[in-house]
Amino acid sequence: EDQVTQSPEALRLQEGESSSLNCSYTVSGLRGLFWYRQDPGKGPEFLFTLYSAGEEKEKERLKATLTKKESFLHITAPKPEDSATYLCAVQLFSGYALNFGKGTSLLVTP
Amino acid sequence: DGGITQSPKYLFRKEGQNVTLSCEQNLNHDAMYWYRQDPGQGLRLIYYSQIVNDFQKGDIAEGYSVSREKKESFPLTVTSAQKNPTAFYLCASSRSPAGGLGNQPQHFGDGTRLSIL
Repeated sequence: EDQVTQSPEALRLQEGESSSLNCSYTVSGLRGLFWYRQDPGKGPEFLFTLYSAGEEKEKERLKATLTKKESFLHITAPKPEDSATYLCAVQLFSGYALNFGKGTSLLVTP
Repeated sequence: DGGITQSPKYLFRKEGQNVTLSCEQNLNHDAMYWYRQDPGQGLRLIYYSQIVNDFQKGDIAEGYSVSREKKESFPLTVTSAQKNPTAFYLCASSRSPAGGLGNQPQHFGDGTRLSIL
C-alpha cells in the first residue's frame, strides 16, 4: 500500500497559468515532508522541507503548504523552465530514509 | 563547489558479472544513501549508512552490497544475484539525522544508468 500518493501524474500548463500539485500521505509519526524537482537524466534537487501542519514555504514561483494529511505545491505564473518532475517524500520518526511518491510530471508551454 | 559525484554516468553489465557504482561526496555529510529509480515508480531505498563502517539494508537490498570505509565514499555493487538490474541509480547524502538533527534534507548526485548487455 502506497504511503505517499502524488496527483496528478502529469500536468500540462500554459505559461502564466497557475496550478497546484498534490501529495497525500497515509503515515503516522511524520518527521518531515520534502519536495524535490527532478530534470530528465538528473538527480532530484531539494526544494523544501515542511515539518508541521500549517507551515508554508516559498521560493520564487513555488509555494509549499502542509496539512495533517497532504501537502500542496502551488506554482504561480509558471514559466517553461519550471517544466520538470516534482517529487514528494516523507520521513518518519521511526527511520531516516525517505519514502517517495511517484512524482508529477509538469510541462509548461510558451 | 561541494556536491555528490556519481560515476560512471552509464554502465553496462553482462550476465553473471558484478559491477560497482561509485559515489563520492565532499559535503562532510555523515549519512549516505542509495536509491533505485524505475520508470513510473518512486525512488526505492537500497542501502543507507549513518556513519563510517556501518550500514543498513533498505527496502530492496537483495542482490546489492555496499561498503563505507571512508566518510566521503559509499560504493554500491550490483551483484549477479540481482536479476533485474536495469534502472537509474541515485546516491544521496545528508547531515546525520540523529542527535536531534532530524529533517535534514538529502542531496542527490546525478545518477548512474545501468543496463544489461
